[in-house]
Amino acid sequence: TQLLEQSPQFLSIQEGENLTVYCNSSSVFSSLQWYRQEPGEGPVLLVTVVTGGEVKKLKRLTFQFGDARKDSSLHITAAQPGDTGLYLCAGGGGNKLVFGAGTILRVKS
Amino acid sequence: NAGVMQNPRHLVRRRGQEARLRCSPMKGHSHVYWYRQLPEEGLKFMVYLQKENIIDESGMPKERFSAEFPKEGPSILRIQQVVRGDSAAYFCASSLLAGTNEKLFFGSGTQLSVL
Repeated sequence: TQLLEQSPQFLSIQEGENLTVYCNSSSVFSSLQWYRQEPGEGPVLLVTVVTGGEVKKLKRLTFQFGDARKDSSLHITAAQPGDTGLYLCAGGGGNKLVFGAGTILRVKS
Repeated sequence: NAGVMQNPRHLVRRRGQEARLRCSPMKGHSHVYWYRQLPEEGLKFMVYLQKENIIDESGMPKERFSAEFPKEGPSILRIQQVVRGDSAAYFCASSLLAGTNEKLFFGSGTQLSVL
């Protein structure tokens, strides 16, 4: 069974700070996805990483896929209150995604 | 708005009643997925359907739960004789094609509360 562990579970920071959240597994994934979910809403896809060592940037967000394709990280530069939400990583092949439990991020102004 | 539509947003049932959750995929999408999210847990895959076919129901409990995606109309997730442990947020997603890297679009979910 493929499992994804995310850390930290909860992160509370001040506006302007940088942060990194992690997504780790003992299994190899063909790809990993990162989602952001706001309360009362469904997850929204941010990015998909496919190649080991791949780095993708989305404005202030930088996503990295580990060389062995077992882990990934999300780095946010100069966090803003609008970044507040639940960040989920998901992986797995085909049509059955495995999700991590998520990191709850709270950015205080 | 041509997004994934789920209804109702909130559903309250007493133990033993039936719950029916509806999902209309994005226009043109014929692949539908149902996930369940418990508090402080990630989403858990339940079932994957294409029009009129169940492709993968490996995440769905064997009893009381069923899903369909008819030729016409929305996909339905049906839970019979609900119990308190069924209380959760149920999310539907759709995709245009099937495949590992295919983008899933999620609805806003149905929050089921069992009294």
